Amino acid sequence: AQTVTQSQPEMSVQEAETVTLSCTYDTSESDYYLFWYKQPPSRQMILVIRQEAYKQQNATENRFSVNFQKAAKSFSLKISDSQLGDAAMYFCALLVSGAGNMLTFGGGTRLMVKP
Amino acid sequence: GAGVSQSPSNKVTEKGKDVELRCDPISGHTALYWYRQSLGQGLEFLIYFQGNSAPDKSGLPSDRFSAERTGGSVSTLTIQRTQQEDSAVYLCASNLWGGVNQPQHFGDGTRLSIL
Repeated sequence: AQTVTQSQPEMSVQEAETVTLSCTYDTSESDYYLFWYKQPPSRQMILVIRQEAYKQQNATENRFSVNFQKAAKSFSLKISDSQLGDAAMYFCALLVSGAGNMLTFGGGTRLMVKP
Repeated sequence: GAGVSQSPSNKVTEKGKDVELRCDPISGHTALYWYRQSLGQGLEFLIYFQGNSAPDKSGLPSDRFSAERTGGSVSTLTIQRTQQEDSAVYLCASNLWGGVNQPQHFGDGTRLSIL
């Protein structure tokens, strides 16, 4: 079985500053993918960034980057130059290849951005 | 439409009634997923359809829950004899053919409230 843990229920950041959201996971498999999803009040889950476990290089998407520590099973999300529109719930998710293709989600972190 | 469409957006019903939730995936997507998001929680996998294969029902919480997918497109999630603990947002997602390296695209969900 897979588990994903987000230890920060809420985080706050000043506009234009940088914030890091934490995520740890557990799986005994070696072939898996990790994702960060953003959920604004509209409820739609929006993919922010993804990381293949076999890749050593950390994924980046514009202002969003990850710190993937495979040995520690850690997958944190860094948001640079935070904007008001970044305020949302952020979910870390794990997908294990060959385990049914469903995503296993963490409990989420609510990010507030202060102007 | 261009995205995953879910209806109704909100549903309020009395305990003990049956409800049907609908999901229309992105055109051409053969894989379809249902998740449940209880208040303040992450998403919990319910069921997964891939083409004409037998669905993966391993996440359904009880036999009151069932889902079908007609013609390989639209899916209906049915909850019989609803209970208050069924209150949640039900999210549907789809991707092209269920490949693990393909992101799942989510709808806006149906917020179900059981009185």
